[in-house]
Amino acid sequence: DIQMTQSPSSLSASVGDRVTITCRASQDISDYLAWFQQKPGNPPNLLIFAASTLQSGVPSRFSGSGSGTDFTLTISSLQPEDAATYYCQKYNSAPISFGQGTRLEIK
Amino acid sequence: QVQLVQSGPEVKKPGASVKVSCKASGYTFRSYAISWVRQAPGQGPEWIGWISGYTGDTRYAQNVLDRVTMTIDASTDTAYMELRSLRSDDTAVYYCARGGYYSKWDYWGQGTLVTVAS
Repeated sequence: DIQMTQSPSSLSASVGDRVTITCRASQDISDYLAWFQQKPGNPPNLLIFAASTLQSGVPSRFSGSGSGTDFTLTISSLQPEDAATYYCQKYNSAPISFGQGTRLEIK
Repeated sequence: QVQLVQSGPEVKKPGASVKVSCKASGYTFRSYAISWVRQAPGQGPEWIGWISGYTGDTRYAQNVLDRVTMTIDASTDTAYMELRSLRSDDTAVYYCARGGYYSKWDYWGQGTLVTVAS
């Protein structure tokens, strides 16, 4: 099975900072990579799909890049409402799997 | 607008079964797959399986393969996930989502808490 490894597992940043989260797949998954944001008590919310396509309604400060095995989620200017846990997901074949998550705290 | 509405919380004893429903609205049900994941307290999402909204074909995760059944009722645009022989480590919030392989998961249900305890 393909493993998804996210880093860091947690980070703390200030409003206005540029934040980067990485996700590495153990095998080539092309661009079948999504990023989700999850706040406590809510389901995951799709931010990015196909590695770099912004989901409708998601603020443009979120962006994704990468292909193959290495992927990045970037928040260009951190806002207070971005405090959440972020997950990457590979969805090209079974089993579908998620990274272990990155908990983002606002200083 | 697209909505997935799940059934309410469940409390079950070990060895029992649970059936969670996911009613879809706002889109053509048969055009999309429905996936199911669960999330134990403090953990990331864990994929359980997938069912085609068109054919009813399924694919399950290896660790629940012998205990899970996913079905659809096209007459009510509802997907179901039944998990049998429940154990304490099945305690989690169960989510349905629109999407499957090679397609984005863009809408999610609100989640159903399943608690397994004696």
